[in-house]
Amino acid sequence: RKEVEQDPGPFNVPEGATVAFNCTYSNSASQSFFWYRQDCRKEPKLLMSVYSSGNEDGRFTAQLNRASQYISLLIRDSKLSDSATYLCVVNLMDSSYKLIFGSGTRLLVRP
Amino acid sequence: EAGVAQSPRYKIIEKRQSVAFWCNPISGHATLYWYQQILGQGPKLLIQFQNNGVVDDSQLPKDRFSAERLKGVDSTLKIQPAKLEDSAVYLCASSLVWISNSPLHFGNGTRLTVT
Repeated sequence: RKEVEQDPGPFNVPEGATVAFNCTYSNSASQSFFWYRQDCRKEPKLLMSVYSSGNEDGRFTAQLNRASQYISLLIRDSKLSDSATYLCVVNLMDSSYKLIFGSGTRLLVRP
Repeated sequence: EAGVAQSPRYKIIEKRQSVAFWCNPISGHATLYWYQQILGQGPKLLIQFQNNGVVDDSQLPKDRFSAERLKGVDSTLKIQPAKLEDSAVYLCASSLVWISNSPLHFGNGTRLTVT
């Protein structure tokens, strides 16, 4: 099983739609979770951290489900500019505290 | 605040040649990472430094890749000799604190093409 898994997509949605992505992780002791956004041929940029109680930033909501070992990202009222690849990042609770990336979920928002 | 600086932006070399990449992290960031991102995949951690010490290099192909972070600031990543499968974007990232909820800040990356 991969340490961090994501559905590669693409998710093709119309403007204004609500879309959700999940990311599963294998290490039950993981403590830090992030969502990054990566535009084509650009570097990843932090979208939001994911907190235990869930958190919201405008149209974006992140949730953590420790029991089932997944995190989710919900995007409401999708904009054309939301088209990007969304990367899930989880720390490995080993001696090095590595931050491991999923392979990303591609989102295409169409007019 | 100035971001993570990387150079060069692009590099094209032939297989079996050598190449080096440079990274200057955000001032004050103790932890520095090198990631390799192959087209269509997520970034893969190659090596992680805490100040000038290596925390993890378990995924670094040590027969051909080397990295150093002298004085705990700038870092260089070297490939010698390069193979075709090394074609990728090499991303440097830094974070303020190790073992915390401190996120990564990435540089623009170096796009390497090995022919």
